Amino acid sequence: DVKVTQSSRYLVKRTGEKVFLECVQDMDHENMFWYRQDPGLGLRLIYFSYDVKMKEKGDIPEGYSVSREKKERFSLILESASTNQTSMYLCASGELSSYNSPLHFGNGTRLTVT
Amino acid sequence: GIQVEQSPPDLILQEGANSTLRCNFSDSVNNLQWFHQNPWGQLINLFYIPSGTKQNGRLSATTVATERYSLLYISSSQTTDSGVYFCAVELTSYDKVIFGPGTSLSVIP
Repeated sequence: DVKVTQSSRYLVKRTGEKVFLECVQDMDHENMFWYRQDPGLGLRLIYFSYDVKMKEKGDIPEGYSVSREKKERFSLILESASTNQTSMYLCASGELSSYNSPLHFGNGTRLTVT
Repeated sequence: GIQVEQSPPDLILQEGANSTLRCNFSDSVNNLQWFHQNPWGQLINLFYIPSGTKQNGRLSATTVATERYSLLYISSSQTTDSGVYFCAVELTSYDKVIFGPGTSLSVIP
C-alpha cells in the first residue's frame, strides 16, 4: 500500500515563527501536492511539484514556500507564520502521468498559529 | 480558471437509501477522481475515472467528459458512508489537481 507520512498530526506555533511541514511518500511518485483545508473553503492548492527541484504555484501560494530536494520528500515552509495560516494541511502524492493512478493523501497536520 | 461544482452541498440519508452526487466542471480535464473524507479527516481515493463507468461494491461512478460532469452513486447506504465526498480534476498532464467544494453526507440509522 502507498504510504504518505506527514511529520506531525498537531502543531502549535507562535506568530512570526518559521514553520516546516514535512511529507514523505514511499512509492517513488513523481507528483506531490500541498493543500490546506478550511471550513467552508474546501481544499485549496498551495504548491505542487512534478519532479525533484521542480515546483509550481497553486492557487494560494502567498506566505508559503516549498522544497523538493529528494523525490520522496516535499516540504512546506511558512516563512513567518501568521494567525490566518491556522488550518489543516494535507499532503498528497501520485503518478499522474500513468493511467489509473490516484492521489494518495497523508493524515494531515492541524496547525495552530497563536 | 476552471470551476468545479458539486451538488448537493449537504445530504442526509436514512440507512439503506440510495443517492447520487454530482460534479460539474467548466473545462476539459485530463482526469477526474472521487474522494471520501471520513469524520477523522482522512481522504481516501474512491475512483480514478476520466471517462466511462466504474463500480466498486456499493459505489459506482460515471464520467461523461464531453458534457463535463461526473456522478457518484451510493447504493444501500451505511452509516460508515458518512463524511464529505470530493471530486477533483486535473487540467492537463503534470498539472495541478483542483478540488470541488464537496458534498457532506450524513447517513442516519
